[in-house]
Amino acid sequence: AQKVTQAQTEISVVEKEDVTLDCVYETRDTTYYLFWYKQPPSGELVFLIRRNSFDEQNEISGRYSWNFQKSTSSFNFTITASQVVDSAVYFCALSANFGNEKLTFGTGTRLTIIP
Amino acid sequence: NAGVTQTPKFRILKIGQSMTLQCTQDMNHNYMYWYRQDPGMGLKLIYYSVGAGITDKGEVPNGYNVSRSTTEDFPLRLELAAPSQTSVYFCASSYSTGLGTEAFFGQGTRLTVV
Repeated sequence: AQKVTQAQTEISVVEKEDVTLDCVYETRDTTYYLFWYKQPPSGELVFLIRRNSFDEQNEISGRYSWNFQKSTSSFNFTITASQVVDSAVYFCALSANFGNEKLTFGTGTRLTIIP
Repeated sequence: NAGVTQTPKFRILKIGQSMTLQCTQDMNHNYMYWYRQDPGMGLKLIYYSVGAGITDKGEVPNGYNVSRSTTEDFPLRLELAAPSQTSVYFCASSYSTGLGTEAFFGQGTRLTVV
């Protein structure tokens, strides 16, 4: 069975602080993908990144960075110099072997950036 | 760029009523999905479709029906609404279900059953 755990239900930080959102996953499959989606107050889900299980290189995109560590089954997301527009619910998700129909979501982390 | 469009955005139903949530996409994606999002929970897959005329159950299909007569449209039907179906419903589409394919989501339909 697959499982994604986002232990942080809600996080609040002051603008310009850095913040890390944790994601821990469980799967018995050796081939899998991990995703992060952002859900702003408007409600839609916006794709941020995917990572496959064979690529443990960290990735940086502007103020966003992702740290994938298979040894700890974690795929953490860091926002540097946070901005008010980063306020949203962030979901980590896992897809293994059979594609999107087996996409398993975590419960999400609500991030609030305080001006 | 419309992407995935869902209607309505909000709806209140009485117990036992029926309704159809509409979903259409203009990206010519073969694969479409319906998820529900309950408070404090992640998204759970209700039904999905790999192409016109083909649908299959997801994790939580009970109480719902779907059809896929065209590539663009994937409506979700609630026949006898129950309070347990109060949720936010998301439609999504993707080019394929190839591992790692990203899904594009609609803005959601907030449904309340009273």
